[in-house]
Formats: sequence, structure tokens, C-alpha cells
Amino acid sequence: DADVTQTPRNRITKTGKRIMLECSQTKGHDRMYWYRQDPGLGLRLIYYSFDVKDINKGEISDGYSVSRQAQAKFSLSLESAIPNQTALYFCATSDVRDRDQETQYFGPGTRLLVL
Amino acid sequence: AQSVTQPDIHITVSEGASLELRCNYSYGATPYLFWYVQSPGQGLQLLLKYFSGDTLVQGIKGFEAEFKRSQSSFNLRKPSVHWSDAAEYFCAVGARTGFQKLVFGTGTRLLVSP
Repeated sequence: DADVTQTPRNRITKTGKRIMLECSQTKGHDRMYWYRQDPGLGLRLIYYSFDVKDINKGEISDGYSVSRQAQAKFSLSLESAIPNQTALYFCATSDVRDRDQETQYFGPGTRLLVL
Repeated sequence: AQSVTQPDIHITVSEGASLELRCNYSYGATPYLFWYVQSPGQGLQLLLKYFSGDTLVQGIKGFEAEFKRSQSSFNLRKPSVHWSDAAEYFCAVGARTGFQKLVFGTGTRLLVSP
């Protein structure tokens, strides 16, 4: 089984709809991240969480919200989807115990299309 | 703030030929450097990473990368490319700012010709 899973893998929605993307991990890591990938732009950080009670905005958080339901689960919501949120979304995890060798591990991604 | 440049958007290499993908970074302190690969329809897989020590690092799938501080580079190499290496490759630089903040390059798409 994969260490970091994302559901759904693909989603088509309409402008104005609320949708949730989910991420689960079995790695036992405390830190979790949400990124979006757009062609030609690489990956950009949306939100990150150090633990259940510690959630922080990344560089492009407008239009998104997150929920850390448990150490292993981190969900990303689009309250009112718009077409320029069409992208590939990645969840990642890392372990603060790795200290100076902390490394992020990524899920398979969710491809979202907003019509 | 850190930044990463991958100057090649696409590269085509013949199967069996050697490969070098370029990565240049900008960061005021000692960087932590990563290469990830994204195969078609797949997520990001870590190829290798550099934190300190030996500047030539070995990764999975026969890849290696060399950290050159004087050139602010972390180029990825493979001596003989296989068709299965066709993918998009991302270089990232990490900064210790309370967490491992990663900044990614825009990626290089590798095509492998027969």
C-alpha cells in the first residue's frame, strides 16, 4: 500500500461548487503539505501543517482552506471553485524528527478540472 | 528567498546515451537540494538529496547529482538513459525556516528516443 494516498485521483466540477480533496498517510509523519502544480510553474505551496493544531498558509492560500482531522489526515477544500483552480494537487508529508535531513514525500496527486 | 532555475524545458536523449539535467539555485545560506521525478500519471518520487558532506550524491535508478557551490548548481546525471526514464524532472531547494520550505524549479521534460 502507498504511504501517502490522495482521493479522488481525478475530479471534474463546476464553477461555484465546493469540493474537498483528501490526503491520508501511513508514514507516521507529523508534517503535511498541500501543493498545486501548473504547467510551466512547478509546484507552489498552498498550506502546511506541523500537527493537528498548527496550520499555516503557504504562498497561494487564497481561495483554499484546509482541515487537519488527525495526524494522518489533511484535507484541502475549495469553497467556491473557479476555473483558474484547475491544476494538479499534491499532498506531501515530512518528519520533523529527521531534523537536518528532513525530506518531503509526495502522494500521487489529484487532477482537478473546474468548468 | 531561495529560487531555482531549470533552464531546459525539454530535452531529448537517445536511449543508451548519457544525460545531464541542469539546475541552478539562488540561496544565501547552505542549501538543501533535491531532485524529484514525475512519471506520466504518477506522483513525485524522490530521486536523491543533498544536505551536506560529499558533493556527489547517488540516488535511485542509477542517477547521481553533483553539488557545486561555486556555480550554484546541482546537475542531475545518468550515464545511460533507458526508455523508462522518460518523465518530468524537478529540482528543488530547501531552506530551514522552521520547516523544510521547498522551492521548486519549473521542471525539465525528458524524452527518450529509440
